[in-house]
Amino acid sequence: GQQVMQIPQYQHVQEGEDFTTYCNSSTTLSNIQWYKQRPGGHPVFLIQLVKSGEVKKQKRLTFQFGEAKKNSSLHITATQTTDVGTYFCAGHQGNTGFQKLVFGTGTRLLVSP
Amino acid sequence: EAGVAQSPRYKIIEKRQSVAFWCNPISGHATLYWYQQILGQGPKLLIQFQNNGVVDDSQLPKDRFSAERLKGVDSTLKIQPAKLEDSAVYLCASSWTSGGPSSYNEQFFGPGTRLTVL
Repeated sequence: GQQVMQIPQYQHVQEGEDFTTYCNSSTTLSNIQWYKQRPGGHPVFLIQLVKSGEVKKQKRLTFQFGEAKKNSSLHITATQTTDVGTYFCAGHQGNTGFQKLVFGTGTRLLVSP
Repeated sequence: EAGVAQSPRYKIIEKRQSVAFWCNPISGHATLYWYQQILGQGPKLLIQFQNNGVVDDSQLPKDRFSAERLKGVDSTLKIQPAKLEDSAVYLCASSWTSGGPSSYNEQFFGPGTRLTVL
């Protein structure tokens, strides 16, 4: 079936270190969205990428959509304790008509001060 | 603007009992989603409504789960009877519109209902 995998599942870094999570889909995606879910919270939309090879930045966060539109990455420079949470990628899959948003497996980030 | 409202926030029931969750989306949002999020996993779409019509319910266990959005605004999700494996957080989300990449389809999530089935 349609799968969106993320690696790593979990990462523990020291504050100030960089962090990257990778998202890989078994099928081509129309777009990729990234969400952040704080512990005990709900997913919050971060960004959407649509074009092949697209790169977007939000302060310390850099998002990239692969050329084949089957993978994506999120890179955080100089992590802070406020970055703690689980990061999910999600992409719309489907050739024609209805396209369903499929969430990835998530990467849980823990940042120690 | 007010966010997506859900109730109750927590529910504990015995297996084989029934339970219902309620969601009120952001005003004006045509699309409403119900997700199931099992601990440690990403949200899984159960059902998607466009106004009061069902767009996708392919992953809804229809022998026990049902959902409705009668007037195209708020929605209820029901489980009858519940099983142990239904223990999860049930998230409701809404967006202006669903569709392809040219649509503005950021999803806004509610706080969720944490269901524990004993």
